[in-house]
Amino acid sequence: DVKVTQSSRYLVKRTGEKVFLECVQDMDHENMFWYRQDPGLGLRLIYFSYDVKMKEKGDIPEGYSVSREKKERFSLILESASTNQTSMYLCASSLWGQGSTEAFFGQGTRLTVV
Amino acid sequence: AQSVTQPDIHITVSEGASLELRCNYSYGATPYLFWYVQSPGQGLQLLLKYFSGDTLVQGIKGFEAEFKRSQSSFNLRKPSVHWSDAAEYFCAVGGGDYKLSFGAGTTVTVRA
Repeated sequence: DVKVTQSSRYLVKRTGEKVFLECVQDMDHENMFWYRQDPGLGLRLIYFSYDVKMKEKGDIPEGYSVSREKKERFSLILESASTNQTSMYLCASSLWGQGSTEAFFGQGTRLTVV
Repeated sequence: AQSVTQPDIHITVSEGASLELRCNYSYGATPYLFWYVQSPGQGLQLLLKYFSGDTLVQGIKGFEAEFKRSQSSFNLRKPSVHWSDAAEYFCAVGGGDYKLSFGAGTTVTVRA
């Protein structure tokens, strides 16, 4: 069974903290994605990666960075967490040519910044 | 730029009744279209997808969707809903550039 695993289901962090969200996939997929989900806004793409050490900005990259040192792992970094980054974060992966194949999603990490 | 509109924020339907969720997309070429479902506290699960060919697509859990190019629509249907269909549903459009764009979602409530 295909699997995308996010390291935490729930996180509470303080304003100004550096936050790491980790995602691992076991499907040998080239593409990995980080989305943010907010009520009424659907899913918005933060960053994606189509290969190791490669990354591309999505629609809302401000305040975030990413790291992909290994094919199976994609990390989202909040350099200095702010309250407006309180949200549900979803990681996904897909094969090459993502537009033509489905994306597999993790369970999500609900981050609260206080 | 690609985009998706789901006009209905919330739909309430009786158990056993039919369900239709609307999706309109904007994309410059032939789109790849998807419907995902998200149960409370869960990630997204793919219901069905359209790439080419037959415009009526069958998916899991008894869902189907019809691609209408002239209307730029990809509406999701189910003939008879079950209480377990209560969830949030997302339409998405993709192309050859890795990016999937999602709609804002439609929340479905099923009443007994």
